[in-house]
Amino acid sequence: YELTQPPSVSVSPGQTARITCSGDAMTKQYTYWYQQKTGQAPVLVIYKDTERPSGIPERFSGSSSGTTVTLTISGVQAEDEADYYCLSADSTNSYEVFGAGTKVTVL
Amino acid sequence: EVQLVESGGGLVQPGGSLRLSCAASGFTFTNYWMHWVRQAPEKGLVWVSRINSDGSSSNYVDSVKGRFTISRDNAKNTLYLQMNSLRPEDTAVYYCVRDMPMGASWGQGTLVTVSS
Repeated sequence: YELTQPPSVSVSPGQTARITCSGDAMTKQYTYWYQQKTGQAPVLVIYKDTERPSGIPERFSGSSSGTTVTLTISGVQAEDEADYYCLSADSTNSYEVFGAGTKVTVL
Repeated sequence: EVQLVESGGGLVQPGGSLRLSCAASGFTFTNYWMHWVRQAPEKGLVWVSRINSDGSSSNYVDSVKGRFTISRDNAKNTLYLQMNSLRPEDTAVYYCVRDMPMGASWGQGTLVTVSS
């Protein structure tokens, strides 16, 4: 089972970045999003498709449509430059898988 | 404050074994599923294994099945990963991760290097 993410997304400060993650089982399983900055452990930014953990800025949001989920960063800031990974489970919840990651570059 | 502290990483020859530990504190360990996630140098995240709250059920990524074993000691608030028959491609930083929600808390990671 694989999750498909774009390798990179470039965005100007203040603009909106959208990162997609596609997988056949996404209609049955929740998706989670993580931000990882260089040399640091990942940080959870969205869980269960659309929920935002406490402490995560409101500019981070998640949505789902069919077999694609989307992480949206509204009003991108320089500090949002990082790698972003989606995570979900297979249709029977036998194992979990990460997408290959999307590098967000703030121009 | 939730804390996850991994230990046990190091340099090992191909075919060798290591046991990673993750000491948990700041939450009721027995209530949470736990995971191991790894990241090879300059590569992406890879989910490795998970274990349910009482240790009765576990799952693995195909590439480690039959070689790695996840376990936990709820009396000691500690998660383990026994790694046998190690291969160069197992070289990575290994993270201990808490569930509910998945990835709410991560350790700092411990580096495993498999090389002769």
